[in-house]
Amino acid sequence: EDKVVQSPLSLVVHEGDTVTLNCSYEVTNFRSLLWYKQEKKAPTFLFMLTSSGIEKKSGRLSSILDKKELFSILNITATQTGDSAIYLCAVTRYNTDKLIFGTGTRLQVFP
Amino acid sequence: EAGVAQSPRYKIIEKRQSVAFWCNPISGHATLYWYQQILGQGPKLLIQFQNNGVVDDSQLPKDRFSAERLKGVDSTLKIQPAKLEDSAVYLCASTTPGAGGTTDTQYFGPGTRLTVL
Repeated sequence: EDKVVQSPLSLVVHEGDTVTLNCSYEVTNFRSLLWYKQEKKAPTFLFMLTSSGIEKKSGRLSSILDKKELFSILNITATQTGDSAIYLCAVTRYNTDKLIFGTGTRLQVFP
Repeated sequence: EAGVAQSPRYKIIEKRQSVAFWCNPISGHATLYWYQQILGQGPKLLIQFQNNGVVDDSQLPKDRFSAERLKGVDSTLKIQPAKLEDSAVYLCASTTPGAGGTTDTQYFGPGTRLTVL
């Protein structure tokens, strides 16, 4: 059965800290891994990763995929209170467009 | 570009009642998805449409849930009759193939929070 596991489930930090969120997966015919940020209700797209070892970066956020060890990390440097959200990891398989989500990591950033 | 629109934003009903949700995807997006997100969990796909045809409804509880996308644009999801365990956020997403021919990047609407009492 396809599985996406995120850790930690919850994280509390102070502004300025750096955090690393983890996502491991077990899926057949893996195609891509996506990261979403969910603040109120609608998940908003952050990154899509398909190749191992190539870092994707957007401002203070970056992510990398390891297809050999079947995991991805999402790094956030110099965290701000606006980074407080649930971060969702999802994977896709070939021959289907379905997103298979993990349970998410709840990040709380305090001033 | 307008995003995915959903209504209502909130709905409270009693068990055994019926409810319907509406979604209008991003213009031109052929693929539309309905997800159910129970508190503390990631979204779970209920049904996927390609234009007005169903691609995947394997996780839709068909005894009580139904969905349609008659003209290949907007869609409705109905629950009849509702159960307590249907309390969740119902998210609609849409996408269209990118340069690589895949539809991996899905764009989500604001969702409808359903509470069943």
